[in-house]
Amino acid sequence: GNSVTQMEGPVTLSEEAFLTINCTYTATGYPSLFWYVQYPGEGLQLLLKATKADDKGSNKGFEATYRKETTSFHLEKGSVQVSDSAVYFCALSDRVTSYDKVIFGPGTSLSVIP
Amino acid sequence: NAGVTQTPKFRVLKTGQSMTLLCAQDMNHEYMYWYRQDPGMGLRLIHYSVGEGTTAKGEVPDGYNVSRLKKQNFLLGLESAAPSQTSVYFCASSYGPGSGNTIYFGEGSWLTVV
Repeated sequence: GNSVTQMEGPVTLSEEAFLTINCTYTATGYPSLFWYVQYPGEGLQLLLKATKADDKGSNKGFEATYRKETTSFHLEKGSVQVSDSAVYFCALSDRVTSYDKVIFGPGTSLSVIP
Repeated sequence: NAGVTQTPKFRVLKTGQSMTLLCAQDMNHEYMYWYRQDPGMGLRLIHYSVGEGTTAKGEVPDGYNVSRLKKQNFLLGLESAAPSQTSVYFCASSYGPGSGNTIYFGEGSWLTVV
């Protein structure tokens, strides 16, 4: 079946460091890929997405490229800030009959220290 | 800009008690979902609905019931709460099927069963 694997962390970085959170997936067909972010005490919110191979999603300085050949969607940011401390979820959406079933990874906790 | 609203935000139940979590969305979305979030397990889908008057089981439906009497509301019921149902519950909604479908989440309901 479909699945999402991501590094679980926790990841601790100093401010202005480079961030990579790895995400790989297994899916039949051609899923859409997402990164969601969850700040403390809040629900998840969409950070970025890509709907087909080689697409790059970007938002708030974060980027991820849909790599079909390596089945990956790694999240990157060139210079993290304290405000980026959150839990990041990789997810895929694979249409099954009439329902876009979304599968979430376990989440990666990021702490950015000044 | 209410989006997805859940009530209550916090609740403590005794084993065997019943309760209902309420979810409302003001985006005219067709699809609504209830997830639970547990440490190390990411988000797991409990039940979902593809439109008013419809419901369907997700990955972990046992011990829960749902109803979608109005398009904007999706209720999650626990008939006889168990300690294993201690979790954070998230309601979510989306426009419907289609590639790149974005899910919008509520802020969560923290439930403890003692």
